[in-house]
Amino acid sequence: DTGVSQDPRHKITKRGQNVTFRCDPISEHNRLYWYRQTLGQGPEFLTYFQNEAQLEKSRLLSDRFSAERPKGSFSTLEIQRTEQGDSAMYLCASSLAAPPEQYFGPGTRLTVT
Amino acid sequence: SQQGEEDPQALSIQEGENATMNCSYKTSINNLQWYRQNSGRGLVHLILIRSNEREKHSGRLRVTLDTSKKSSSLLITASRAADTASYFCATGFSGGYNKLIFGAGTRLAVHP
Repeated sequence: DTGVSQDPRHKITKRGQNVTFRCDPISEHNRLYWYRQTLGQGPEFLTYFQNEAQLEKSRLLSDRFSAERPKGSFSTLEIQRTEQGDSAMYLCASSLAAPPEQYFGPGTRLTVT
Repeated sequence: SQQGEEDPQALSIQEGENATMNCSYKTSINNLQWYRQNSGRGLVHLILIRSNEREKHSGRLRVTLDTSKKSSSLLITASRAADTASYFCATGFSGGYNKLIFGAGTRLAVHP
């Protein structure tokens, strides 16, 4: 299966700790997206990469959040000084320029205690 | 903030019945997509309809789009227990990239 993969699948951390998530997109996709989803809600857009360039960041992405895609392949999302409100499912997706359908990974579920 | 709102929030039907879910959105779009999410497979793309299209079919799925009313509907015909999932509409915009804005979803339960 050459779909989008995310690691880890689950992360439990204590408030104030830093966490980092990894996303490996479908290899030929140059566009990569991060979303956050809380219980009972749809995914909310966080940030977008085209190749290695980060082209948009949501206002949801506070200064504690940083994302990188250093070689235009995998991406990492880091949350510094985690807060309980950061508890959510973090989803990664990738796509081609066209067609615009996005392919999602299984997500990383973050629990901040 | 979320662009779309799905209606109903939850839907419970028997196998073999049809399920209709509606989505409304607020701003002009380039395309509208429907996704399904269940615990086993995560978010899966179902169908895309462009702003200049009015209706699209894919297997047991039928999607309509009314840009004058800023609304879309997803019809699943002859539902199966395996269709049990949450269904989300997501709006896409022109401008060089494909950021999606999702609604809150409709939770569909199909009973055998």
